[in-house]
Amino acid sequence: RKEVEQDPGPFNVPEGATVAFNCTYSNSASQSFFWYRQDCRKEPKLLMSVYSSGNEDGRFTAQLNRASQYISLLIRDSKLSDSATYLCVVRGGADGLTFGKGTHLIIQP
Amino acid sequence: EAQVTQNPRYLITVTGKKLTVTCSQNMNHEYMSWYRQDPGLGLRQIYYSMNVEVTDKGDVPEGYKVSRKEKRNFPLILESPSPNQTSLYFCASRTARNSYEQYFGPGTRLTVT
Repeated sequence: RKEVEQDPGPFNVPEGATVAFNCTYSNSASQSFFWYRQDCRKEPKLLMSVYSSGNEDGRFTAQLNRASQYISLLIRDSKLSDSATYLCVVRGGADGLTFGKGTHLIIQP
Repeated sequence: EAQVTQNPRYLITVTGKKLTVTCSQNMNHEYMSWYRQDPGLGLRQIYYSMNVEVTDKGDVPEGYKVSRKEKRNFPLILESPSPNQTSLYFCASRTARNSYEQYFGPGTRLTVT
């Protein structure tokens, strides 16, 4: 089983809709989780951390399900500018951060 | 402005011609690394460095070299580039290995013909 797995998509979603996607991780001892965002042909940037109790930042909500070993990202009232690839990141591994391959999201007008 | 810079941003070269991609950060970060990103394969780490004069192999080090003579600089060297090294390369830095916020450079798109 891969350390961090994401559905690559793409997910095509109409503007204004709510979209959610998950990321599963294999190491049950993992403690810290993050979402990074990567715009087309640009560098990844930290979007938000994922706390055990869940956390919200504007239209974005991140949640952790330790029992099933997945984290999720929910985007409400999606905007065209939300189109990007969302990378799931788990602290751990040789590099200290293990990146998923990303989920490609396309918001359509 | 806190940033990671890479040069060049775009490079087209021929097989076997040695090249260097420079990377510099102005945040006094100890930890730096190089990744390549290919469609369907995600980010794969090439080399990393925990501090000056300390470098180690990542997941895909073959065909690459690095050096860390100064804290701010971490160049990537391809001694004899081959077409399978055509990729998008990112340099990254963070405060320390156990930090979670990683800053990436803007990327270098390399084509080897």
